[in-house]
Amino acid sequence: NAGVTQTPKFQVLKTGQSMTLQCAQDMNHEYMSWYRQDPGMGLRLIHYSVGAGITDQGEVPNGYNVSRSTTEDFPLRLLSAAPSQTSVYFCASSYWGGAFFGQGTRLTVV
Amino acid sequence: QQQVKQSPQSLIVQKGGISIINCAYENTAFDYFPWYQQFPGKGPALLIAIRPDVSEKKEGRFTISFNKSAKQFSLHIMDSQPGDSATYFCAASISGATSGSRLTFGEGTQLTVNP
Repeated sequence: NAGVTQTPKFQVLKTGQSMTLQCAQDMNHEYMSWYRQDPGMGLRLIHYSVGAGITDQGEVPNGYNVSRSTTEDFPLRLLSAAPSQTSVYFCASSYWGGAFFGQGTRLTVV
Repeated sequence: QQQVKQSPQSLIVQKGGISIINCAYENTAFDYFPWYQQFPGKGPALLIAIRPDVSEKKEGRFTISFNKSAKQFSLHIMDSQPGDSATYFCAASISGATSGSRLTFGEGTQLTVNP
């Protein structure tokens, strides 16, 4: 039982490049979310999903896309990376009792 | 708009002391208030959570105090240990069936417990 698995752990991108951050959970939770963590700002919600085929925007959605084709997977796509997207990204899987977070992806955009 | 404000930003406590971290929220629709603990290089881990129908919840050395009228809640760590040194985040959400799926976080508190 791995919980929430994120890949890659580290990534360096050039401005304008695109990439997909992967997230998978094995707890059969309906709800999954993506957050970004920046110093002094806590974690901010990017996008979330309440089930396969259903996604919605969070607080900071611009520049990111998501889709949810299965209960297990919730990838986050950066369409055209910008230096402002340098951050640590966390995926979470949740149920009524709380959220479980992955180990994070540290992304640097140069 | 920061809907959940957390203080202090950093806290240094001696071993055996009490660590207190405070949070205030604005949205009165929030009804689920978790605290997360994060070690360097790791994801946040749920520590303890409270709903507004109680004023206090205790789990081991960790206690949440909740003041609904003041829209404030706090984390107390009793008998603080060096292993408690981490970043602590308060959070809030509107639960229903989705507690934890749309969390609003505070800014975080870096706790250092000196031996």
